[in-house]
Amino acid sequence: AQKVTQAQTEISVVEKEDVTLDCVYETRDTTYYLFWYKQPPSGELVFLIRRNSFDEQNEISGRYSWNFQKSTSSFNFTITASQVVDSAVYFCALSRFYNNNDMRFGAGTRLTVKP
Amino acid sequence: GAVVSQHPSRVICKSGTSVKIECRSLDFQATTMFWYRQFPKQSLMLMATSNEGSKATYEQGVEKDKFLINHASLTLSTLTVTSAHPEDSSFYICSALDRGPGEQFFGPGTRLTVL
Repeated sequence: AQKVTQAQTEISVVEKEDVTLDCVYETRDTTYYLFWYKQPPSGELVFLIRRNSFDEQNEISGRYSWNFQKSTSSFNFTITASQVVDSAVYFCALSRFYNNNDMRFGAGTRLTVKP
Repeated sequence: GAVVSQHPSRVICKSGTSVKIECRSLDFQATTMFWYRQFPKQSLMLMATSNEGSKATYEQGVEKDKFLINHASLTLSTLTVTSAHPEDSSFYICSALDRGPGEQFFGPGTRLTVL
């Protein structure tokens, strides 16, 4: 069975602070994909990153960075110098390797960035 | 990236009526589409997998007679909520699988309110 745990239900930070959103996953598959999505108040999911299980390199994209550690089954997401526009719900998700079938989402973390 | 549309974006209906939601892949053919449901402040839960030309596969606990799925073409899947009740009020999100890159692309969602 596949499972994604986002233990942080809500996080509140002040603008310009760094914040890390945690994601821990469970799967019996040896090959799989991990994702992060942003869901602003409008509701539309915004794709942030997809990482396959073969690639443990950390990734940086502007103020966003991701730390994938298979040893601890974690795929954490850090926002550096947070901004008010980063306020949203962030979902971590896991899918089987082939064709992203059977995508399972974590419960989500609601991030509020205060000015 | 690929574009997936949903129609309508919002719908309000009376209890007991049926509502149809459309999901279209605009620039690719999708043999597989997925339907998710998201209750307020909760995560996305997969309801069913829709395969073009065949019956949908429903997740455990989802009533197939209540949530009718039709995937009649390679670019269109429809979800019909039959005899809707207030507890069916939710945010319904579809996604379409583009087998070329092997990625799921999400629609903007449909907010259903049943009075």
